[in-house]
Amino acid sequence: KAGVTQTPRYLIKTRGQQVTLSCSPISGHRSVSWYQQTPGQGLQFLFEYFSETQRNKGNFPGRFSGRQFSNSRSEMNVSTLELGDSALYLCASRPGVGNQPQHFGDGTRLSIL
Amino acid sequence: KNEVEQSPQNLTAQEGEFITINCSYSVGISALHWLQQHPGGGIVSLFMLSSGKKKHGRLIATINIQEKHSSLHITASHPRDSAVYICAVANTDKLIFGTGTRLQVFP
Repeated sequence: KAGVTQTPRYLIKTRGQQVTLSCSPISGHRSVSWYQQTPGQGLQFLFEYFSETQRNKGNFPGRFSGRQFSNSRSEMNVSTLELGDSALYLCASRPGVGNQPQHFGDGTRLSIL
Repeated sequence: KNEVEQSPQNLTAQEGEFITINCSYSVGISALHWLQQHPGGGIVSLFMLSSGKKKHGRLIATINIQEKHSSLHITASHPRDSAVYICAVANTDKLIFGTGTRLQVFP
């Protein structure tokens, strides 16, 4: 079974641009969560999608958004990029909601110049 | 004060040593996760537990719900165990993460 796939692996953008990151969950998994990891703040929860609906959201500004498609693939978008958005963005999938282990992708490393 | 605290932040050990990493939390939880992150970023879920103790190979995880404390033990540590170990608690179905413990095991 293929694992969680995130694309692209690396991305360089400049301030003010926008970016879209993609996550393909494990086949059969309907929940996708997104996380941001920075050296200063560590890992932080961004949002979770289940059956194409956002069911949970972390404490991030509205510049961070996401969506989920009918095949459970998910995208997250960051608009008007700031230097502080430089981070590793991880997504994780699980079959459903509730107490289930999460399966993480390798992440997308985003650098803002 | 962080809602999830881990100790120690850094740990070095000789191959074969017994390792303990601690995690304390201050919020209500439905489960606690132990994660392993290798250089390069990939994260692997080691354990998810809501009570008692779980064992997988040389790894053991325990949780004390009353004391809001969990430990991750590695027996007979090996250089390939070198990684960052992260404790995360499930609170209102969102994960709150500790800052991680960087473990280096030397041959």
